[in-house]
Amino acid sequence: RKEVEQDPGPFNVPEGATVAFNCTYSNSASQSFFWYRQDCRKEPKLLMSVYSSGNEDGRFTAQLNRASQYISLLIRDSKLSDSATYLCVVLNAGKSTFGDGTTLTVKP
Amino acid sequence: DAGVTQSPTHLIKTRGQQVTLRCSPKSGHDTVSWYQQALGQGPQFIFQYYEEEERQRGNFPDRFSGHQFPNYSSELNVNALLLGDSALYLCASSHRDTYNSPLHFGNGTRLTVT
Repeated sequence: RKEVEQDPGPFNVPEGATVAFNCTYSNSASQSFFWYRQDCRKEPKLLMSVYSSGNEDGRFTAQLNRASQYISLLIRDSKLSDSATYLCVVLNAGKSTFGDGTTLTVKP
Repeated sequence: DAGVTQSPTHLIKTRGQQVTLRCSPKSGHDTVSWYQQALGQGPQFIFQYYEEEERQRGNFPDRFSGHQFPNYSSELNVNALLLGDSALYLCASSHRDTYNSPLHFGNGTRLTVT
């Protein structure tokens, strides 16, 4: 079983749709959690940190459930520019472990 | 403020050859981590360097080795290249005192082994 698991998708949604991505992790000692965005053939870039209290950045909301070892990302009012691969990242003792990513395509 | 820089951008090698990839961390960062990303997969942790020593290592064979210099820059060496080593190699930097902060990645080196 992988340490970090994501639904690979792809998710194909129309502009303006709301889409949710999920991620589970196996190491209960994990300390920090992030969502990264990766465009085709580019490096991953930090999208947002994830906290148990939840955090919101514009159209993006991230949530952590430590009891269930589950992380989510919600994107509201999807834009064409949101098309990318979204990577769930779990950090423990300085080592970041990535999921394989969920691919999102937003269509006109 | 210079971010993480990697060189070269692209590289083509033949099976059995050796390759060296280079990385300069973001200003103020002292820790360098290397990742391998194959097509359709997430980045896989190779190893991490701090104070010129390998501190953590992922599940990669000894053909993968590295080095960190006093100025915190780092090299990744891969010997006896296999076709399966073809991937995007990513370098990320961080600071040891904020080791649970997110990583900052360079643009990567795309290695093709033929």
